[in-house]
Amino acid sequence: DTEVTQTPKHLVMGMTNKKSLKCEQHMGHRAMYWYKQKAKKPPELMFVYSYEKLSINESVPSRFSPECPNSSLLNLHLHALQPEDSALYLCASSQPPGYNNSPLHFGNGTRLTVT
Amino acid sequence: AQRVTQPEKLLSVFKGAPVELKCNYSYSGSPELFWYVQYSRQRLQLLLRHISRESIKGFTADLNKGETSFHLKKPFAQEEDSAMYYCAPSFMYSGGGADGLTFGKGTHLIIQP
Repeated sequence: DTEVTQTPKHLVMGMTNKKSLKCEQHMGHRAMYWYKQKAKKPPELMFVYSYEKLSINESVPSRFSPECPNSSLLNLHLHALQPEDSALYLCASSQPPGYNNSPLHFGNGTRLTVT
Repeated sequence: AQRVTQPEKLLSVFKGAPVELKCNYSYSGSPELFWYVQYSRQRLQLLLRHISRESIKGFTADLNKGETSFHLKKPFAQEEDSAMYYCAPSFMYSGGGADGLTFGKGTHLIIQP
């Protein structure tokens, strides 16, 4: 399996809702990432997990809460989001940062709309 | 912060014409750089990497240390090449921080029939 799988593909939520985005990979990668991408913009890094531990948090608001239950799974818990948080949320994986300059493998993303 | 720069937001060329998407970097030493591509309604994916010296879908990219550039080239553009293209450094090369996971602003390539 050489894919990164993200669910759901689309999500519409109100500002008071709590929801979660899920990401899964079975390539044996030990680094996983969350990116946020607005239309016609490059992906912006949010979080990095390396060996299941949070290694980078790019000053992301606390209404986004990442979780890495094991080496294959990555979640992003959402609570009290704002309409400006509407975007495509991308998950990626790679060999651990620093390992042979491994490129990133991306999922198809979750299209999130906050109403 | 060290970064890569893609000066062209939009590039439009006719089918069959040569294509060059520019990427310049500000890192010292010997960089490891990638080109990623995002076709409409498809996932962002690796197109090619400097170290492998491959030609993927007819595209090549040569590292020019004198000009600190890693431009993406294709001699004859095809309509299916229309996409967003992002230049990015490797995490390790950029020192292991978030800079190494930061993409260039991207170039939207449109191939006209």
